[in-house]
Amino acid sequence: QVQLVQSGAEAKKPGSSMKVSCRASEFGSATITWLRQAPGQGLEWMGRVIPILNIVNYAQKFQGRVKITADKATNTAYMEMSSLQSEDTAVYYCARGRDWFGPWGQGTLVTVSS
Amino acid sequence: EIVLTQSPGTLSLSAGERATLSCRASQRISSISLAWYQQTPGQAPRLLIYGASNRATGVPDRFSGSGSGTDFTLTIARLEPDDFAVYYCQQYDNSASLTFGGGTKVQSK
Repeated sequence: QVQLVQSGAEAKKPGSSMKVSCRASEFGSATITWLRQAPGQGLEWMGRVIPILNIVNYAQKFQGRVKITADKATNTAYMEMSSLQSEDTAVYYCARGRDWFGPWGQGTLVTVSS
Repeated sequence: EIVLTQSPGTLSLSAGERATLSCRASQRISSISLAWYQQTPGQAPRLLIYGASNRATGVPDRFSGSGSGTDFTLTIARLEPDDFAVYYCQQYDNSASLTFGGGTKVQSK
């Protein structure tokens, strides 16, 4: 089964940017999706990438502020977010799948604080 | 955007009991467009059910999903200690706007 390993926790200042990576054991024809979960809150879909087709979709809420990419050579997907605010403090997950998701990466905690 | 409302917010049961979790959609969705996840503290969610009633690989058969239209149910036939967790439903009827319910916490009574 595909395994997903994410980059480590980050601390960011308001207004800065972040970039989280997600390395897969293999991409194949899979879709990699990004989601997030604010502390004590539910899950939020951010967008997806189909590496083999270079197709990317974003949730409307994140359009223009998030960039999702994939490097087929290293089987690594990336999620970049700009103009960070305290409300962006969350655990960010990558997961395999277009519509339903499994398996998931272990999550990356991003804390935005001055 | 399709809003999913899960109930109850918290379910207090004992091991061996049956758990019934509800997920109601704000509009009718395809019966193949509903998934369920389990999340334990500090862990990533785990896919349990997709297509409303299909168990994911490795999921025990005490977990079952059902429903159609706007009302969906996750049933855990006999709770085991590892089943005490938060459960989320998720719809993918509109693949450009995927949404999750707020979760149901199943806790030990």
